[in-house]
Amino acid sequence: DTGVSQDPRHKITKRGQNVTFRCDPISEHNRLYWYRQTLGQGPEFLTYFQNEAQLEKSRLLSDRFSAERPKGSFSTLEIQRTEQGDSAMYLCASSLTPRELSYEQYFGPGTRLTVT
Amino acid sequence: DQQVKQNSPSLSVQEGRISILNCDYTNSMFDYFLWYKKYPAEGPTFLISISSIKDKNEDGRFTVFLNKSAKHLSLHIVPSQPGDSAVYFCAASDNAGNMLTFGGGTRLMVKP
Repeated sequence: DTGVSQDPRHKITKRGQNVTFRCDPISEHNRLYWYRQTLGQGPEFLTYFQNEAQLEKSRLLSDRFSAERPKGSFSTLEIQRTEQGDSAMYLCASSLTPRELSYEQYFGPGTRLTVT
Repeated sequence: DQQVKQNSPSLSVQEGRISILNCDYTNSMFDYFLWYKKYPAEGPTFLISISSIKDKNEDGRFTVFLNKSAKHLSLHIVPSQPGDSAVYFCAASDNAGNMLTFGGGTRLMVKP
């Protein structure tokens, strides 16, 4: 099964530390998305890449967040100077370039971040 | 403001009966809708979708209905099975397809 994979699955960090998450999309997918999900809520869009280009960022993505997809394959999401409010599940998804009547995105298992 | 709303946080159904999950949206630019299913400790799994040019899409036990004038869609599962117990998310996209906007989810419990 070559679905979307994320690493690590769980991360506990102390407030003020930096953390980095990795996402490996489905191999033939040129789009990669990051979402954040907090308890009792649906996923919220953070940003997306078309190949290596970051094309859209949500206002939820503060200056402490940075995402990269250097070679258009895997992506990393870094959070600097973590705060307790950053505690959430970080989900990665991938897709082919959306075409008419087909906008499905396929999600990985997520990275659960706990900031103490 | 929530552009996609799932007003029922939970739903309990007997095995074999129909489950109906509802979703409302406010953004007229949305023209593609998806349902995802999520088990604990897993990411959302795509279930079924519908374009705004249709009012119904069916896939096995799952049928999604879209009422554009009411900005309402629903997911019907029949017959419901215990393995269907999960959180179901409704999501919407405009025709650019650059991001999905999700509802808050409905937890479905199917009792044997």
